[in-house]
Amino acid sequence: KQEVTQIPAALSVPEGENLVLNCSFTDSAIYNLQWFRQDPGKGLTSLLLIQSSQREQTSGRLNASLDKSSGRSTLYIAASQPGDSATYLCAVLSGGGADGLTFGKGTHLIIQP
Amino acid sequence: EAGVAQSPRYKIIEKRQSVAFWCNPISGHATLYWYQQILGQGPKLLIQFQNNGVVDDSQLPKDRFSAERLKGVDSTLKIQPAKLEDSAVYLCASSPGRVNEQFFGPGTRLTVL
Repeated sequence: KQEVTQIPAALSVPEGENLVLNCSFTDSAIYNLQWFRQDPGKGLTSLLLIQSSQREQTSGRLNASLDKSSGRSTLYIAASQPGDSATYLCAVLSGGGADGLTFGKGTHLIIQP
Repeated sequence: EAGVAQSPRYKIIEKRQSVAFWCNPISGHATLYWYQQILGQGPKLLIQFQNNGVVDDSQLPKDRFSAERLKGVDSTLKIQPAKLEDSAVYLCASSPGRVNEQFFGPGTRLTVL
């Protein structure tokens, strides 16, 4: 059974810093990995999708990497801003696509102005 | 392009009452998912539809939860009777296929008193 762990559970940093969020998964037989952002009381916004054959994806100040063999992914946020404050969730798709996404518990990020 | 629509956004009921949630996926998306997100946790898959057929409902508490996707478009998730532990956010997601990127709706926040 796939399990996803995110470290740290919470992070508070001053504005302008670069930061890294970590995600690990137990079964390397995945189809893809998605990073989401969730604001309080809201749904999930997809940030980046990395296919199993890819090593990284970039969107603006966000860069996500994937090391499938070691079961790890990182989300790098450059030049953080207060508007980046949210919970970031990592999720993997495995099991032939029939199991839906397996999510971590998320990293609660606060960017201090 | 319109996103995934859900209603209602909020619902408060007494235990043992029934409740229903509605989801309209992105047009043309064949795969539809219902996830349950308990406070402080990542979402957990309840049921996955491919067109109007069920792909996976292994984590759906079938003694009280039911879901349908008539005509392969809209879907309804029902709880009857509700328990206190059903208090959660119910998220609907859709994707073009079972191994594609998933897009989430705003969710329905259910409180059972």
